[in-house]
Amino acid sequence: GQQLNQSPQSMFIQEGEDVSMNCTSSSIFNTWLWYKQDPGEGPVLLIALYKAGELTSNGRLTAQFGITRKDSFLNISASIPSDVGIYFCAGSKYGGATNKLIFGTGTLLAVQP
Amino acid sequence: DAGVIQSPRHEVTEMGQEVTLRCKPISGHDYLFWYRQTMMRGLELLIYFNNNVPIDDSGMPEDRFSAKMPNASFSTLKIQPSEPRDSAVYFCASRGLDRAGANVLTFGAGSRLTVL
Repeated sequence: GQQLNQSPQSMFIQEGEDVSMNCTSSSIFNTWLWYKQDPGEGPVLLIALYKAGELTSNGRLTAQFGITRKDSFLNISASIPSDVGIYFCAGSKYGGATNKLIFGTGTLLAVQP
Repeated sequence: DAGVIQSPRHEVTEMGQEVTLRCKPISGHDYLFWYRQTMMRGLELLIYFNNNVPIDDSGMPEDRFSAKMPNASFSTLKIQPSEPRDSAVYFCASRGLDRAGANVLTFGAGSRLTVL
């Protein structure tokens, strides 16, 4: 099935550093979501974006819905060890209701204490 | 709320055997989704239900896969007969309104299936 292109594939950083990852698509999406998955668990929603240009924060996390509707980015400031995990972007072409989400390929984040 | 409950968490079976995965969605959520996660293909939507009715099963790989939702609190995903390429983590997710009134998709912890 279709997947969103997510980059980077993996990041190995020091505690306290800022992190940035993004997601791109060849198609327009009307909803962008960012999830985090811990080992052995299901993805957990971090941030939801519903309008082009929208910038939303959740604690140290900030995500933006690209103006072109074909991309989104997630920033994590002052990373801590518990930020370790796989981050997924997800998009829906249908807006509002997220019935048919397409997931990105994931970004593995490792944080060195 | 206990969240989305899936069972079993791990299943190892032999090729040709029937596999049944179970899911209890969050009470009050009217949508239920089954996803499959593999290294090669990532997270893929298999099928989803609205008010217990299957709406879109276009992601179900083949006739060996079937899903049912007999009531609002229970769903099954069945593979019969199973094949090694079915090995994956299968996630159930349910969707409903959170306290802020936003539609939120909540995943279970997944069922890791290994078919030998």
